[in-house]
Amino acid sequence: AQSVTQLDSQVPVFEEAPVELRCNYSSSVSVYLFWYVQYPNQGLQLLLKYLSGSTLVKGINGFEAEFNKSQTSFHLRKPSVHISDTAEYFCAVTLSGGSYIPTFGRGTSLIVHP
Amino acid sequence: NAGVTQTPKFQVLKTGQSMTLQCAQDMNHNSMYWYRQDPGMGLRLIYYSASEGTTDKGEVPNGYNVSRLNKREFSLRLESAAPSQTSVYFCASSEDGYSGNTIYFGEGSWLTVV
Repeated sequence: AQSVTQLDSQVPVFEEAPVELRCNYSSSVSVYLFWYVQYPNQGLQLLLKYLSGSTLVKGINGFEAEFNKSQTSFHLRKPSVHISDTAEYFCAVTLSGGSYIPTFGRGTSLIVHP
Repeated sequence: NAGVTQTPKFQVLKTGQSMTLQCAQDMNHNSMYWYRQDPGMGLRLIYYSASEGTTDKGEVPNGYNVSRLNKREFSLRLESAAPSQTSVYFCASSEDGYSGNTIYFGEGSWLTVV
């Protein structure tokens, strides 16, 4: 079975600073990878996903993530964060050609300070 | 587009009471899900429905029942609420059983059991 580990439960950062939210996965077969964002008191929405092709994936709101198969990682980055990026971020994995039910990480709370 | 709509948004129950959380999606999706979200635990799947007429247990089904009323609607029932079921509940949907699909979430239902 697949699993996802988000290495940081909370990441505080100042506005306009770069940020990286870390995600590692484990699976014996090929995977699809996702990042979802949850703004306060809202449901989750998709930021970006990796299915195949280029390992650098660009998403909404200036976020990007890089799939690294050798390190089994899918870290999320943004070069300059804004106060409005304060939210909970979830990494998720499914098995390509297998179970479509995603396994979610426990989430990383990004807190952007002015 | 409304997307995924769930009701009620807030509910307080007494231990032993029953209630049903309603969910409807207007995207003509085949698959629907119920998750619960607890601090530090991420999202945990309660039940899912791959298509109209089918339901399956997820990671934490005990104490819950579901009904896939039709293609649009998927309800979650607590027969005898317990304080351990205090949580935020999310209904979600996806197009079908392809593991690369995006999952679309409702805005959540905050349930407190006293």
